[in-house]
Amino acid sequence: DGGITQSPKYLFRKEGQNVTLSCEQNLNHDAMYWYRQDPGQGLRLIYYSQIVNDFQKGDIAEGYSVSREKKESFPLTVTSAQKNPTAFYLCASSISPDGEQYFGPGTRLTVT
Amino acid sequence: GESVGLHLPTLSVQEGDNSIINCAYSNSASDYFIWYKQESGKGPQFIIDIRSNMDKRQGQRVTVLLNKTVKHLSLQIAATQPGDSAVYFCAERDSSASKIIFGSGTRLSIRP
Repeated sequence: DGGITQSPKYLFRKEGQNVTLSCEQNLNHDAMYWYRQDPGQGLRLIYYSQIVNDFQKGDIAEGYSVSREKKESFPLTVTSAQKNPTAFYLCASSISPDGEQYFGPGTRLTVT
Repeated sequence: GESVGLHLPTLSVQEGDNSIINCAYSNSASDYFIWYKQESGKGPQFIIDIRSNMDKRQGQRVTVLLNKTVKHLSLQIAATQPGDSAVYFCAERDSSASKIIFGSGTRLSIRP
Protein backbone atom coordinates (compact mmCIF):
# COMPACT_ATOMS: atom_id res chain seq x y z
CA ASP A 1 0.00 0.00 0.00
CA GLY A 2 1.26 3.48 -0.80
CA GLY A 3 1.29 6.10 1.88
CA ILE A 4 3.11 7.93 4.62
CA THR A 5 4.20 6.24 7.80
CA GLN A 6 5.27 7.85 11.01
CA SER A 7 6.75 6.00 13.92
CA PRO A 8 6.29 5.59 16.73
CA LYS A 9 2.69 6.64 17.36
CA TYR A 10 3.49 7.63 20.95
CA LEU A 11 6.88 8.75 22.22
CA PHE A 12 7.97 9.70 25.71
CA ARG A 13 11.20 11.46 26.58
CA LYS A 14 12.84 13.17 29.51
CA GLU A 15 13.50 16.87 29.32
CA GLY A 16 16.96 17.63 27.96
CA GLN A 17 17.08 14.68 25.58
CA ASN A 18 17.05 14.94 21.82
CA VAL A 19 14.52 12.74 20.04
CA THR A 20 14.09 11.87 16.37
CA LEU A 21 10.71 11.28 14.77
CA SER A 22 10.54 9.11 11.68
CA CYS A 23 8.62 9.90 8.48
CA GLU A 24 8.71 7.65 5.42
CA GLN A 25 6.72 7.85 2.20
CA ASN A 26 6.54 5.50 -0.77
CA LEU A 27 4.47 7.82 -2.94
CA ASN A 28 7.50 9.05 -4.86
CA HIS A 29 6.70 12.58 -3.75
CA ASP A 30 9.36 15.26 -4.06
CA ALA A 31 8.13 17.54 -1.28
CA MET A 32 7.85 16.67 2.40
CA TYR A 33 6.75 18.67 5.42
CA TRP A 34 6.70 18.62 9.20
CA TYR A 35 3.93 20.27 11.19
CA ARG A 36 3.27 20.67 14.87
CA GLN A 37 -0.24 20.63 16.30
CA ASP A 38 -1.14 21.75 19.82
CA PRO A 39 -4.52 21.07 21.44
CA GLY A 40 -7.33 23.13 19.95
CA GLN A 41 -5.03 24.69 17.40
CA GLY A 42 -4.25 24.38 13.73
CA LEU A 43 -1.08 23.11 12.12
CA ARG A 44 2.12 25.10 12.22
CA LEU A 45 4.90 24.43 9.74
CA ILE A 46 8.27 23.45 11.22
CA TYR A 47 10.37 22.53 8.20
CA TYR A 48 9.78 21.56 4.61
CA SER A 49 11.81 20.02 1.83
CA GLN A 50 11.08 20.43 -1.84
CA ILE A 51 13.74 18.02 -3.04
CA VAL A 52 16.37 15.64 -1.75
CA ASN A 53 19.29 17.29 0.07
CA ASP A 54 17.40 20.56 0.41
CA PHE A 55 15.13 21.89 3.14
CA GLN A 56 13.85 25.22 4.45
CA LYS A 57 12.69 26.51 7.79
CA GLY A 58 9.01 26.95 8.35
CA ASP A 59 7.32 29.24 10.83
CA ILE A 60 8.52 27.56 14.02
CA ALA A 61 11.86 25.92 13.20
CA GLU A 62 13.70 26.93 16.38
CA GLY A 63 14.68 23.90 18.43
CA TYR A 64 14.16 21.47 15.55
CA SER A 65 16.39 20.01 12.85
CA VAL A 66 15.77 17.85 9.79
CA SER A 67 17.62 16.00 7.07
CA ARG A 68 16.60 14.84 3.60
CA GLU A 69 19.23 12.38 2.47
CA LYS A 70 16.73 10.16 0.70
CA LYS A 71 13.61 11.05 -1.25
CA GLU A 72 11.41 8.80 0.84
CA SER A 73 12.62 9.86 4.28
CA PHE A 74 12.41 13.15 6.20
CA PRO A 75 13.28 12.62 9.88
CA LEU A 76 12.67 15.39 12.41
CA THR A 77 14.87 15.83 15.48
CA VAL A 78 13.39 17.65 18.43
CA THR A 79 16.36 19.04 20.32
CA SER A 80 16.71 20.02 23.94
CA ALA A 81 16.61 23.64 22.78
CA GLN A 82 12.89 23.33 21.96
CA LYS A 83 11.25 24.94 24.98
CA ASN A 84 7.87 23.25 24.74
CA PRO A 85 8.26 20.04 22.74
CA THR A 86 5.17 18.17 23.92
CA ALA A 87 2.80 18.14 20.93
CA PHE A 88 1.33 16.09 18.11
CA TYR A 89 3.71 16.01 15.13
CA LEU A 90 2.45 15.48 11.61
CA CYS A 91 4.45 14.68 8.51
CA ALA A 92 3.10 15.28 5.02
CA SER A 93 4.23 14.93 1.44
CA SER A 94 3.15 16.21 -1.94
CA ILE A 95 4.10 15.37 -5.48
CA SER A 96 5.20 18.96 -6.01
CA PRO A 97 5.58 21.99 -3.72
CA ASP A 98 2.21 23.37 -4.77
CA GLY A 99 0.38 20.07 -4.82
CA GLU A 100 -2.11 18.53 -2.43
CA GLN A 101 -0.48 17.33 0.76
CA TYR A 102 -0.98 13.82 2.10
CA PHE A 103 -0.56 13.41 5.84
CA GLY A 104 0.82 10.62 7.96
CA PRO A 105 -0.93 9.35 11.11
CA GLY A 106 1.15 11.54 13.42
CA THR A 107 3.41 11.00 16.43
CA ARG A 108 2.38 12.22 19.85
CA LEU A 109 5.49 13.30 21.75
CA THR A 110 5.39 13.83 25.48
CA VAL A 111 8.39 15.31 27.24
CA THR A 112 8.47 15.35 31.03
CA GLY B 1 -0.19 39.25 7.97
CA GLU B 2 -1.68 36.18 6.42
CA SER B 3 -4.29 34.42 8.44
CA VAL B 4 -6.93 31.83 7.98
CA GLY B 5 -9.55 31.68 10.67
CA LEU B 6 -12.82 30.04 11.44
CA HIS B 7 -15.96 31.71 12.69
CA LEU B 8 -16.94 28.97 15.14
CA PRO B 9 -14.72 26.60 17.10
CA THR B 10 -17.50 24.03 17.59
CA LEU B 11 -20.60 23.03 15.68
CA SER B 12 -23.32 20.63 16.82
CA VAL B 13 -25.64 19.22 14.16
CA GLN B 14 -28.54 16.81 14.22
CA GLU B 15 -27.85 13.59 12.37
CA GLY B 16 -29.33 13.83 8.89
CA ASP B 17 -29.22 17.62 8.75
CA ASN B 18 -26.83 19.58 6.60
CA SER B 19 -23.69 21.06 8.16
CA ILE B 20 -22.09 24.31 7.14
CA ILE B 21 -18.59 25.13 8.32
CA ASN B 22 -17.27 28.59 7.59
CA CYS B 23 -13.80 29.99 7.12
CA ALA B 24 -12.41 33.48 6.54
CA TYR B 25 -9.08 34.24 4.95
CA SER B 26 -7.17 37.47 4.59
CA ASN B 27 -4.57 36.91 1.87
CA SER B 28 -5.81 38.22 -1.45
CA ALA B 29 -2.96 36.41 -3.21
CA SER B 30 -4.23 32.98 -2.17
CA ASP B 31 -5.26 31.00 -5.21
CA TYR B 32 -5.98 27.56 -3.82
CA PHE B 33 -8.08 26.46 -0.86
CA ILE B 34 -8.44 23.08 0.76
CA TRP B 35 -10.68 21.50 3.35
CA TYR B 36 -9.26 18.76 5.53
CA LYS B 37 -10.97 16.44 7.99
CA GLN B 38 -9.08 15.28 11.06
CA GLU B 39 -10.41 12.52 13.26
CA SER B 40 -9.18 12.20 16.81
CA GLY B 41 -5.56 11.05 17.02
CA LYS B 42 -5.12 10.88 13.26
CA GLY B 43 -3.61 13.00 10.54
CA PRO B 44 -5.76 15.32 8.42
CA GLN B 45 -7.41 13.86 5.35
CA PHE B 46 -8.10 15.80 2.19
CA ILE B 47 -11.81 16.37 1.57
CA ILE B 48 -12.14 18.81 -1.26
CA ASP B 49 -10.30 21.73 -2.81
CA ILE B 50 -11.13 24.73 -4.92
CA ARG B 51 -9.10 27.13 -7.00
CA SER B 52 -9.68 30.84 -6.98
CA ASN B 53 -11.08 30.84 -10.52
CA MET B 54 -14.08 28.88 -9.25
CA ASP B 55 -16.83 29.77 -6.78
CA LYS B 56 -18.30 26.34 -6.20
CA ARG B 57 -17.16 22.76 -6.32
CA GLN B 58 -19.05 19.62 -5.40
CA GLY B 59 -17.89 16.26 -4.20
CA GLN B 60 -19.65 13.31 -2.69
CA ARG B 61 -21.98 14.84 -0.06
CA VAL B 62 -19.71 17.87 0.22
CA THR B 63 -19.75 21.24 -1.47
CA VAL B 64 -17.21 24.03 -1.11
CA LEU B 65 -18.20 27.62 -1.82
CA LEU B 66 -15.70 30.40 -2.33
CA ASN B 67 -16.59 34.08 -2.13
CA LYS B 68 -13.50 36.04 -3.08
CA THR B 69 -15.21 39.39 -2.61
CA VAL B 70 -15.50 38.89 1.14
CA LYS B 71 -12.69 36.33 1.40
CA HIS B 72 -14.95 33.61 2.71
CA LEU B 73 -14.91 29.87 2.25
CA SER B 74 -17.49 27.35 3.39
CA LEU B 75 -17.84 23.59 3.50
CA GLN B 76 -21.30 22.11 3.28
CA ILE B 77 -21.87 18.50 4.28
CA ALA B 78 -25.19 17.04 3.20
CA ALA B 79 -27.11 14.59 5.37
CA THR B 80 -24.56 14.62 8.18
CA GLN B 81 -23.67 11.20 9.55
CA PRO B 82 -21.98 10.09 12.79
CA GLY B 83 -18.84 9.35 10.81
CA ASP B 84 -18.58 13.02 9.93
CA SER B 85 -17.64 13.84 13.52
CA ALA B 86 -14.18 15.37 13.36
CA VAL B 87 -12.29 18.63 13.30
CA TYR B 88 -12.44 20.37 9.94
CA PHE B 89 -9.64 22.67 8.81
CA CYS B 90 -9.62 25.10 5.97
CA ALA B 91 -6.27 25.95 4.45
CA GLU B 92 -5.03 28.40 1.88
CA ARG B 93 -2.02 28.57 -0.34
CA ASP B 94 -0.43 31.76 -1.56
CA SER B 95 0.13 31.65 -5.32
CA SER B 96 3.84 32.38 -4.83
CA ALA B 97 4.50 30.14 -1.82
CA SER B 98 5.00 26.44 -1.33
CA LYS B 99 3.45 26.26 2.10
CA ILE B 100 -0.13 25.91 3.20
CA ILE B 101 -1.56 27.95 6.05
CA PHE B 102 -4.10 26.17 8.20
CA GLY B 103 -6.90 27.63 10.26
CA SER B 104 -7.49 26.58 13.85
CA GLY B 105 -10.29 24.17 12.95
CA THR B 106 -13.97 23.62 13.75
CA ARG B 107 -15.06 20.59 15.73
CA LEU B 108 -18.21 19.06 14.28
CA SER B 109 -20.28 16.91 16.60
CA ILE B 110 -23.36 14.97 15.58
CA ARG B 111 -26.47 14.66 17.75
CA PRO B 112 -28.37 11.40 17.36
